[in-house]
Formats: sequence, structure tokens, C-alpha cells
Amino acid sequence: GDSVTQMEGPVTLSEEAFLTINCTYTATGYPSLFWYVQYPGEGLQLLLKATKADDKGSNKGFEATYRKETTSFHLEKGSVQVSDSAVYFCALTGTYKYIFGTGTRLKVLA
Amino acid sequence: SAVISQKPSRDICQRGTSLTIQCQVDSQVTMMFWYRQQPGQSLTLIATANQGSEATYESGFVIDKFPISRPNLTFSTLTVSNMSPEDSSIYLCSVESSRNIQYFGAGTRLSVL
Repeated sequence: GDSVTQMEGPVTLSEEAFLTINCTYTATGYPSLFWYVQYPGEGLQLLLKATKADDKGSNKGFEATYRKETTSFHLEKGSVQVSDSAVYFCALTGTYKYIFGTGTRLKVLA
Repeated sequence: SAVISQKPSRDICQRGTSLTIQCQVDSQVTMMFWYRQQPGQSLTLIATANQGSEATYESGFVIDKFPISRPNLTFSTLTVSNMSPEDSSIYLCSVESSRNIQYFGAGTRLSVL
């Protein structure tokens, strides 16, 4: 069945460091891909999305490119801030529902 | 986008009791979803609730344990029945937009003693 695999956390970075969180997927058909962010004590918020191969989603300095050939959707940011500390979830739309990865906790130190 | 209000935001309950969680959306939506997020884990879909029909439960979840109501297009409730400590989790409701984007409530943090 459809699945999403994320790199395990936690990831700890210094402010202004470069961030990559890896995400790979398995799916039949052509799913849409998403990154959601969950700040402490809150629900999930959509960060960015891509609906077809080679699409690049971007928001708040974060980017991810839908790579069909490597079945990947890695999240990147050039310079993280303390306020980016959160849990990040990669997700895809499966046959009839969302499939979420296990989440990667990011901690950014000042 | 959709704005989702979920109540209560947190609760501490005794074993064997039940808790009903409410989810209110600021617009009419066809499908509402209920998820469970156990500590340090990802989201697991409990059921999908359509207005005017029985909820559709995922494998491992049953209506007797997690009854769901969906009386109209902006509201749903999830009840966690006969609770045990294993039910301690965050429960999230969500709705899906016409563009396949899911919007989430802030969640209900449940602790069962």
C-alpha cells in the first residue's frame, strides 16, 4: 500500500543553519505531496504542497520538489530560525485518504 | 481555507468513563476526519464522517469504542468510550478542501488515569 518514510529526528540545528528533512514515498498512481508543520500545543498546518512531478512547493522560506524518479519530497530551508522549532510531517494523498509520515522534530538553538 | 474549533482542548479523565470531543467548522464541508496521534507518533485515521450517513471506520477502530455523530455540514463529535490509559492521545479533527488540502483543529489532549 501507499506509505511515507521520513528521516528520524530529532534534528538540532543552530540558527541560520541549512535544513534538510528527507521524505520518500511509495504510491500507486500520481499522488499529491504535502509538508505539514505542528508547533507545540497546536494542530497541523499546511506548510507547502506539490501536485505533480517536478512541481516545487514553497512557503515561508521552505521548499520541496516533487521528484518522481527518486520518489522523494525533501524539505529544505536555507537559514532556519528559532521560531521554526516544530514537528514536520510529510504526507501524500493515497487512494482515498491522507498518509502521514512519522514526523521529524526540529529544534533550532539561538 | 477553513477554520476549525475543537473542544475541549485538553482533559484528564478517569478509567472507564467517556469523553465527547466537538469539532466545529466555519464553512460547510462534505467530509470530516478524526485522527489519533499517540505520544511521539504520527497521525492515524480513526474514521471519516459524512453528513447523513454512518461514519466509515479504519481497521482497528470500531463504532462501539469511538462513536461519531455528524448532524450537519459544519459539526461533528467523536466520543471515546470506556476509556483506558491506552487511549491517552491527541485527537484531531480535520476537513478537506476542494483542492485536496486538509485543515486541522488544534487537537484535544486526552490523559486517562
